Amino acid sequence: ETGVTQTPRHLVMGMTNKKSLKCEQHLGHNAMYWYKQSAKKPLELMFVYSLEERVENNSVPSRFSPECPNSSHLFLHLHTLQPEDSALYLCASSQGTREETQYFGPGTRLTVL
Amino acid sequence: GENVEQHPSTLSVQEGDSAVIKCTYSDSASNYFPWYKQELGKGPQLIIDIRSNVGEKKDQRIAVTLNKTAKHFSLHITETQPEDSAVYFCAASIKNYGGSQGNLIFGKGTKLSVKP
Repeated sequence: ETGVTQTPRHLVMGMTNKKSLKCEQHLGHNAMYWYKQSAKKPLELMFVYSLEERVENNSVPSRFSPECPNSSHLFLHLHTLQPEDSALYLCASSQGTREETQYFGPGTRLTVL
Repeated sequence: GENVEQHPSTLSVQEGDSAVIKCTYSDSASNYFPWYKQELGKGPQLIIDIRSNVGEKKDQRIAVTLNKTAKHFSLHITETQPEDSAVYFCAASIKNYGGSQGNLIFGKGTKLSVKP
């Protein structure tokens, strides 16, 4: 285990649903990340939070809405998703945001019908 | 924009043989290069990393080499075992919001199969 947990591990939702993904890190890190992993594509960085402040939004559609209530928890709120949003969503954390090793959670496998 | 190319996309070796995966990067300012291993149903796990001030790093059966002039780095696994079978990703650091080399850009991955 890396010290980064994600729930749920699997999620199936319709295009009109609203759901949330949760990430929790037990490493005392100050930075947290959301990535999208699709088949045959590189991991895509979506959002970066540093000390609970969103510092990067990598041109992600507004149907994805992140929330970081404290340095240990990160959420990704989903609404009116499209089938092409089906992917593995990975959370990661690092001590800081300067050349730091990132530790990944197991991911949430999302299927949008 | 910045990118990382990774080759090969699939690699099959016999148990006990060596495996080599190569990556090239485009951003000459990149200075941190981690390698991750992802097994089925799991997130990527860091297996080794290297920074630009060294050319080679070794950890038991795993080694990484870096050529900053040519902008490429490689992962070497010796005496491969069936449990080495997984998808391996290389990554290179790129500038983040604050101008530091804090974000990572990933290769597309190499699926390694080690046959007993």
